[in-house]
Amino acid sequence: AQKVTQAQTEISVVEKEDVTLDCVYETRDTTYYLFWYKQPPSGELVFLIRRNSFDEQNEISGRYSWNFQKSTSSFNFTITASQVVDSAVYFCALKGYSSASKIIFGSGTRLSIRP
Amino acid sequence: GAGVSQSPSNKVTEKGKDVELRCDPISGHTALYWYRQRLGQGLEFLIYFQGNSAPDKSGLPSDRFSAERTGESVSTLTIQRTQQEDSAVYLCASSSDPVGDEQFFGPGTRLTVL
Repeated sequence: AQKVTQAQTEISVVEKEDVTLDCVYETRDTTYYLFWYKQPPSGELVFLIRRNSFDEQNEISGRYSWNFQKSTSSFNFTITASQVVDSAVYFCALKGYSSASKIIFGSGTRLSIRP
Repeated sequence: GAGVSQSPSNKVTEKGKDVELRCDPISGHTALYWYRQRLGQGLEFLIYFQGNSAPDKSGLPSDRFSAERTGESVSTLTIQRTQQEDSAVYLCASSSDPVGDEQFFGPGTRLTVL
């Protein structure tokens, strides 16, 4: 069975602080993809990143970085120097490596950045 | 526009009525998903279409829910005899890569059942 756990329901930090959103997953697949999506207050989900299970290199994109560790089945997301515009719900997701496999979302973490 | 579109954006209906929600995926996208998102909650998978394969209906919560897709184009989600607990935002997403599956989401249809 596949499962994605985002234990942090809500996080609130002051602007310019760094913040890490946790994601832990379970899968029996040896090959899979992991994703992060952002849902701002406007409601429309936006794709942020995709990682395949072959590639454990960490990735940095501007203020965003992702730490993928197969040993702990985690795919954590860090925002550096947070800004008010980062306020949103963030979803982590998992998909097996086949067209028949559906994507499984975590329950989301609501991030609030206070000015 | 080039994105996923959904209609209507808002739907208010009375309990017991049937509703149809429409999704227009991005042209050429073979994969299409429907999700339900209740207020303040996560995404609940409903159904997945991939090309001409039989859809994965494992997320449909009851036999009042059904969905169709014609080829690789428009999909409609039908809810019969709506109940108040069906009130939610219904999201559609499409993808050109059924394996790697970067999904593009529509703006959703907010359904309110009175």
